[in-house]
Amino acid sequence: DTGVSQDPRHKITKRGQNVTFRCDPISEHNRLYWYRQTLGQGPEFLTYFQNEAQLEKSRLLSDRFSAERPKGSFSTLEIQRTEQGDSAMYLCASRKDTQETQYFGPGTRLLVL
Amino acid sequence: KNEVEQSPQNLTAQEGEFITINCSYSVGISALHWLQQHPGGGIVSLFMLSSGKKKHGRLIATINIQEKHSSLHITASHPRDSAVYICAVRSGYNTDKLIFGTGTRLQVFP
Repeated sequence: DTGVSQDPRHKITKRGQNVTFRCDPISEHNRLYWYRQTLGQGPEFLTYFQNEAQLEKSRLLSDRFSAERPKGSFSTLEIQRTEQGDSAMYLCASRKDTQETQYFGPGTRLLVL
Repeated sequence: KNEVEQSPQNLTAQEGEFITINCSYSVGISALHWLQQHPGGGIVSLFMLSSGKKKHGRLIATINIQEKHSSLHITASHPRDSAVYICAVRSGYNTDKLIFGTGTRLQVFP
């Protein structure tokens, strides 16, 4: 089953360090989404791509956050100078243009010490 | 006030009971989603609605656009239905952004 995959599944880092997460969407899914979810809350939208173009970004995505999808396939989310408040689950999802349903990856759980 | 509100926040039920989870939203929407999240994080899409009612197995989802309200019903609930159920809306046709509720945690006991 080639669902959405995310790597790593868990990341522990020290405050101030940079971290990068990867998302591999389902092949042929041209839309890719990043979300952040903190404990006890629903996911929050961060950004999304249609192919390689980043079409929408949340104001939650501060200057320390950057996302790329260089070839319209996998995507990376980088957080620079991590803060304790960045501790959360980072979720990736993808879908086809012709379908509304998003397929979610297992998430990357980040803990900033 | 959140743009998407769910009630109740927590729900416990005995196996076999009929479950209703509610979602109200305050923005214009082009679509509403119901999602299921199991412990460990995995999220699965259950339904997408823009009007009316949809049924899949023991799950039924309804939406009333005029009242800005949707419900998710589970008939003959089972312990394997225990999960967090999340409502999310797409707030228009010019955005692909989903706005999520905080979820309803359901526990079904045998």
